[in-house]
Amino acid sequence: AQSVTQLDSHVSVSEGTPVLLRCNYSSSYSPSLFWYVQHPNKGLQLLLKYTSAATLVKGINGFEAEFKKSETSFHLTKPSAHMSDAAEYFCVVSGWYGQNFVFGPGTRLSVLP
Amino acid sequence: GAVVSQHPSRVICKSGTSVKIECRSLDFQATTMFWYRQFPKKSLMLMATSNEGSKATYEQGVEKDKFLINHASLTLSTLTVTSAHPEDSSFYICSASQGTTEAFFGQGTRLTVV
Repeated sequence: AQSVTQLDSHVSVSEGTPVLLRCNYSSSYSPSLFWYVQHPNKGLQLLLKYTSAATLVKGINGFEAEFKKSETSFHLTKPSAHMSDAAEYFCVVSGWYGQNFVFGPGTRLSVLP
Repeated sequence: GAVVSQHPSRVICKSGTSVKIECRSLDFQATTMFWYRQFPKKSLMLMATSNEGSKATYEQGVEKDKFLINHASLTLSTLTVTSAHPEDSSFYICSASQGTTEAFFGQGTRLTVV
């Protein structure tokens, strides 16, 4: 069975400061991990994905995430927040062939001017 | 990249009517499609998984007679909400997989039942 925990339901940062959104996962086998962003009343946009290649994954819009197997974590970071980053972020774990695509509960990121 | 188109993006219907939502993979063949429901300020909940040419597999608690899923071709899956009621109002999202560990998401459909 797979599961995803996003430790913070809401994160608030000031514009220009770093962003850290935390994600821990549980999986019976080597997982694929994803971060998606959802702006209000919009669909999902893939930020980045880890599929057993490099453990440090760079995504779009300056985001990156590091896969740490020993900590079962896949935290999302960005050096400097922008107002347009305010959205809901979902950490997702996938098992075999896209099956069992399990979403975390989401973290709402607010960016203050 | 792979594109999944979902239509309509918004629909308002009267209570008791049925609504069909389409999910199309535009540039790849989707062996598996997934349907999710998202309640306000909540995460996505998997409703069902469908493989082309076979019956959908529904998650526990999802009424298969109410949420009819058809995956008749490798590029099209439909979700029909039958006899819709206000409590069915939600954001529905589909995704499609071509047999790898990644799935591609549609833009979502906002259903409002009045």
